[in-house]
Amino acid sequence: AQSVTQLDSHVSVSEGTPVLLRCNYSSSYSPSLFWYVQHPNKGLQLLLKYTSAATLVKGINGFEAEFKKSETSFHLTKPSAHMSDAAEYFCVVSYFGNEKLTFGTGTRLTIIP
Amino acid sequence: GAGVSQSPSNKVTEKGKDVELRCDPISGHTALYWYRQSLGQGLEFLIYFQGNSAPDKSGLPSDRFSAERTGGSVSTLTIQRTQQEDSAVYLCASNPSRGERPNEQFFGPGTRLTVL
Repeated sequence: AQSVTQLDSHVSVSEGTPVLLRCNYSSSYSPSLFWYVQHPNKGLQLLLKYTSAATLVKGINGFEAEFKKSETSFHLTKPSAHMSDAAEYFCVVSYFGNEKLTFGTGTRLTIIP
Repeated sequence: GAGVSQSPSNKVTEKGKDVELRCDPISGHTALYWYRQSLGQGLEFLIYFQGNSAPDKSGLPSDRFSAERTGGSVSTLTIQRTQQEDSAVYLCASNPSRGERPNEQFFGPGTRLTVL
Protein backbone atom coordinates (compact mmCIF):
# COMPACT_ATOMS: atom_id res chain seq x y z
CA ALA A 1 0.00 0.00 0.00
CA GLN A 2 1.16 3.48 -0.75
CA SER A 3 1.36 6.15 1.91
CA VAL A 4 3.19 9.36 2.62
CA THR A 5 4.06 10.97 5.94
CA GLN A 6 4.69 14.65 6.44
CA LEU A 7 6.60 14.92 9.62
CA ASP A 8 5.64 18.48 10.55
CA SER A 9 2.12 19.86 10.55
CA HIS A 10 3.39 23.42 10.94
CA VAL A 11 6.72 25.07 10.14
CA SER A 12 7.64 28.68 10.85
CA VAL A 13 10.73 30.37 9.42
CA SER A 14 11.92 33.94 9.16
CA GLU A 15 11.94 35.65 5.82
CA GLY A 16 15.27 35.09 4.08
CA THR A 17 16.14 31.90 5.98
CA PRO A 18 16.10 28.35 4.57
CA VAL A 19 12.96 26.22 4.38
CA LEU A 20 12.85 22.47 5.01
CA LEU A 21 9.59 20.53 4.77
CA ARG A 22 10.00 16.83 5.46
CA CYS A 23 8.29 13.93 3.72
CA ASN A 24 8.75 10.17 3.91
CA TYR A 25 7.00 7.74 1.61
CA SER A 26 6.11 4.10 1.72
CA SER A 27 5.43 2.23 -1.47
CA SER A 28 5.58 -1.30 -2.70
CA TYR A 29 6.82 -0.19 -6.09
CA SER A 30 8.86 2.63 -7.52
CA PRO A 31 6.91 5.72 -6.55
CA SER A 32 6.03 8.85 -8.41
CA LEU A 33 6.45 11.73 -6.01
CA PHE A 34 5.17 15.28 -6.08
CA TRP A 35 4.97 18.40 -3.98
CA TYR A 36 1.87 20.54 -4.37
CA VAL A 37 1.22 23.94 -2.81
CA GLN A 38 -2.13 25.42 -1.84
CA HIS A 39 -2.39 29.12 -1.07
CA PRO A 40 -5.35 30.30 1.01
CA ASN A 41 -8.61 29.92 -0.92
CA LYS A 42 -6.73 28.84 -4.01
CA GLY A 43 -6.42 25.56 -5.90
CA LEU A 44 -3.58 23.07 -5.74
CA GLN A 45 -0.52 23.97 -7.78
CA LEU A 46 2.27 21.59 -8.70
CA LEU A 47 5.65 22.68 -7.31
CA LEU A 48 7.76 19.82 -8.61
CA LYS A 49 7.74 16.14 -9.49
CA TYR A 50 10.18 13.27 -9.28
CA THR A 51 10.78 11.73 -12.69
CA SER A 52 13.55 9.24 -11.80
CA ALA A 53 15.86 11.03 -14.25
CA ALA A 54 17.63 12.85 -11.43
CA THR A 55 17.44 12.58 -7.68
CA LEU A 56 17.59 16.35 -7.18
CA VAL A 57 14.46 17.91 -8.61
CA LYS A 58 14.07 21.61 -9.24
CA GLY A 59 10.65 23.18 -9.14
CA ILE A 60 9.02 26.55 -9.42
CA ASN A 61 9.71 29.55 -7.18
CA GLY A 62 13.15 28.30 -6.15
CA PHE A 63 12.00 25.09 -4.47
CA GLU A 64 13.92 21.83 -4.72
CA ALA A 65 13.45 18.29 -3.48
CA GLU A 66 15.86 15.42 -3.21
CA PHE A 67 14.76 11.81 -3.68
CA LYS A 68 16.65 9.52 -1.30
CA LYS A 69 15.69 5.92 -1.85
CA SER A 70 17.78 4.61 1.06
CA GLU A 71 15.89 6.91 3.44
CA THR A 72 12.55 6.76 1.57
CA SER A 73 12.46 10.53 1.79
CA PHE A 74 11.54 13.39 -0.52
CA HIS A 75 12.16 16.53 1.51
CA LEU A 76 11.33 19.96 0.08
CA THR A 77 13.81 22.81 0.49
CA LYS A 78 14.29 26.43 -0.46
CA PRO A 79 17.43 28.44 0.34
CA SER A 80 15.68 31.69 1.22
CA ALA A 81 12.05 32.03 2.27
CA HIS A 82 9.83 34.77 0.88
CA MET A 83 6.62 36.09 2.37
CA SER A 84 4.72 34.78 -0.65
CA ASP A 85 5.76 31.21 0.27
CA ALA A 86 3.29 31.15 3.15
CA ALA A 87 0.87 28.35 2.22
CA GLU A 88 -0.04 24.70 2.80
CA TYR A 89 2.32 22.17 1.22
CA PHE A 90 1.38 18.60 0.35
CA CYS A 91 3.71 15.71 -0.35
CA VAL A 92 2.01 13.28 -2.71
CA VAL A 93 2.74 9.74 -3.93
CA SER A 94 1.36 7.51 -6.62
CA TYR A 95 2.61 4.49 -8.50
CA PHE A 96 2.16 3.18 -11.99
CA GLY A 97 -0.94 1.03 -12.37
CA ASN A 98 -2.82 2.80 -9.59
CA GLU A 99 -3.16 6.33 -10.78
CA LYS A 100 -4.83 7.91 -7.78
CA LEU A 101 -2.77 10.30 -5.71
CA THR A 102 -2.25 9.72 -2.01
CA PHE A 103 -1.73 12.96 -0.12
CA GLY A 104 0.15 13.62 3.05
CA THR A 105 -1.62 15.51 5.79
CA GLY A 106 0.03 18.76 4.76
CA THR A 107 2.50 21.20 6.30
CA ARG A 108 1.46 24.76 6.91
CA LEU A 109 4.38 27.09 6.26
CA THR A 110 4.39 30.43 8.06
CA ILE A 111 6.90 33.14 7.16
CA ILE A 112 7.90 35.55 9.91
CA PRO A 113 8.71 39.07 8.66
CA GLY B 1 -4.73 27.57 -22.13
CA ALA B 2 -7.85 26.78 -20.16
CA GLY B 3 -7.39 24.75 -17.03
CA VAL B 4 -9.76 22.49 -15.15
CA SER B 5 -12.94 24.31 -14.25
CA GLN B 6 -15.51 23.45 -11.62
CA SER B 7 -18.96 24.75 -10.84
CA PRO B 8 -20.40 26.03 -8.68
CA SER B 9 -17.53 27.50 -6.71
CA ASN B 10 -19.67 27.49 -3.58
CA LYS B 11 -22.78 25.52 -2.71
CA VAL B 12 -24.84 25.77 0.43
CA THR B 13 -27.56 23.20 0.90
CA GLU B 14 -29.81 21.82 3.57
CA LYS B 15 -29.33 18.42 5.10
CA GLY B 16 -31.18 15.77 3.12
CA LYS B 17 -31.06 17.57 -0.22
CA ASP B 18 -29.27 16.25 -3.30
CA VAL B 19 -26.44 18.21 -4.91
CA GLU B 20 -24.60 18.01 -8.22
CA LEU B 21 -21.06 19.25 -8.71
CA ARG B 22 -19.61 19.72 -12.17
CA CYS B 23 -16.10 19.38 -13.54
CA ASP B 24 -14.79 20.36 -16.96
CA PRO B 25 -11.36 18.81 -17.49
CA ILE B 26 -8.63 20.16 -19.72
CA SER B 27 -9.45 19.43 -23.33
CA GLY B 28 -7.90 16.17 -24.49
CA HIS B 29 -7.25 14.82 -21.01
CA THR B 30 -8.58 11.27 -20.83
CA ALA B 31 -8.18 10.76 -17.10
CA LEU B 32 -10.38 12.54 -14.56
CA TYR B 33 -10.32 12.34 -10.77
CA TRP B 34 -12.44 13.56 -7.88
CA TYR B 35 -10.96 14.26 -4.45
CA ARG B 36 -12.41 15.66 -1.26
CA GLN B 37 -10.64 18.00 1.15
CA SER B 38 -12.11 18.24 4.61
CA LEU B 39 -10.82 19.36 7.98
CA GLY B 40 -11.02 15.96 9.61
CA GLN B 41 -9.89 13.77 6.72
CA GLY B 42 -7.41 15.87 4.75
CA LEU B 43 -7.29 15.26 1.00
CA GLU B 44 -8.79 11.93 -0.04
CA PHE B 45 -9.39 10.22 -3.34
CA LEU B 46 -13.00 9.58 -4.35
CA ILE B 47 -13.24 8.26 -7.91
CA TYR B 48 -11.18 7.96 -11.11
CA PHE B 49 -12.28 7.80 -14.75
CA GLN B 50 -9.96 6.66 -17.55
CA GLY B 51 -11.34 6.88 -21.05
CA ASN B 52 -14.17 4.42 -21.59
CA SER B 53 -13.05 2.02 -18.87
CA ALA B 54 -15.14 1.30 -15.80
CA PRO B 55 -14.37 3.93 -13.17
CA ASP B 56 -12.40 3.20 -10.02
CA LYS B 57 -14.96 3.97 -7.32
CA SER B 58 -12.91 2.65 -4.44
CA GLY B 59 -12.76 5.99 -2.64
CA LEU B 60 -16.45 6.81 -2.53
CA PRO B 61 -17.43 6.98 1.16
CA SER B 62 -21.00 5.72 0.81
CA ASP B 63 -23.64 4.77 -1.75
CA ARG B 64 -25.03 8.29 -1.49
CA PHE B 65 -22.09 9.36 -3.65
CA SER B 66 -22.00 8.71 -7.39
CA ALA B 67 -20.31 10.19 -10.41
CA GLU B 68 -20.57 9.97 -14.13
CA ARG B 69 -18.58 11.20 -17.05
CA THR B 70 -20.41 11.89 -20.26
CA GLY B 71 -18.71 11.66 -23.63
CA GLY B 72 -15.33 11.24 -22.01
CA SER B 73 -15.27 14.88 -20.98
CA VAL B 74 -17.48 16.61 -18.42
CA SER B 75 -18.05 14.86 -15.11
CA THR B 76 -20.77 15.27 -12.50
CA LEU B 77 -20.41 14.21 -8.88
CA THR B 78 -23.78 13.67 -7.20
CA ILE B 79 -24.35 13.47 -3.49
CA GLN B 80 -27.80 12.29 -2.45
CA ARG B 81 -29.45 13.03 0.89
CA THR B 82 -26.56 15.23 1.98
CA GLN B 83 -25.30 15.05 5.54
CA GLN B 84 -23.34 17.62 7.52
CA GLU B 85 -20.22 15.46 7.34
CA ASP B 86 -20.32 15.88 3.55
CA SER B 87 -19.26 19.51 4.01
CA ALA B 88 -15.89 19.84 2.31
CA VAL B 89 -14.11 21.19 -0.73
CA TYR B 90 -14.54 18.85 -3.68
CA LEU B 91 -11.62 18.95 -6.09
CA CYS B 92 -11.48 17.70 -9.63
CA ALA B 93 -8.27 16.91 -11.51
CA SER B 94 -7.36 15.66 -14.95
CA ASN B 95 -4.31 14.42 -16.79
CA PRO B 96 -3.52 13.43 -20.36
CA SER B 97 -2.76 9.84 -19.27
CA ARG B 98 -0.40 9.10 -22.14
CA GLY B 99 1.29 6.42 -20.08
CA GLU B 100 3.95 8.84 -18.96
CA ARG B 101 5.38 8.82 -15.50
CA PRO B 102 4.91 10.63 -13.25
CA ASN B 103 1.21 11.10 -13.77
CA GLU B 104 0.97 14.78 -12.95
CA GLN B 105 -2.61 15.82 -12.27
CA PHE B 106 -3.96 19.29 -12.93
CA PHE B 107 -6.43 20.51 -10.34
CA GLY B 108 -9.44 22.73 -10.60
CA PRO B 109 -10.26 25.43 -8.01
CA GLY B 110 -12.75 23.22 -6.19
CA THR B 111 -16.35 23.46 -5.07
CA ARG B 112 -16.90 24.34 -1.44
CA LEU B 113 -19.95 22.45 -0.21
CA THR B 114 -21.62 23.46 3.04
CA VAL B 115 -24.43 21.32 4.39
CA LEU B 116 -26.54 23.08 7.01
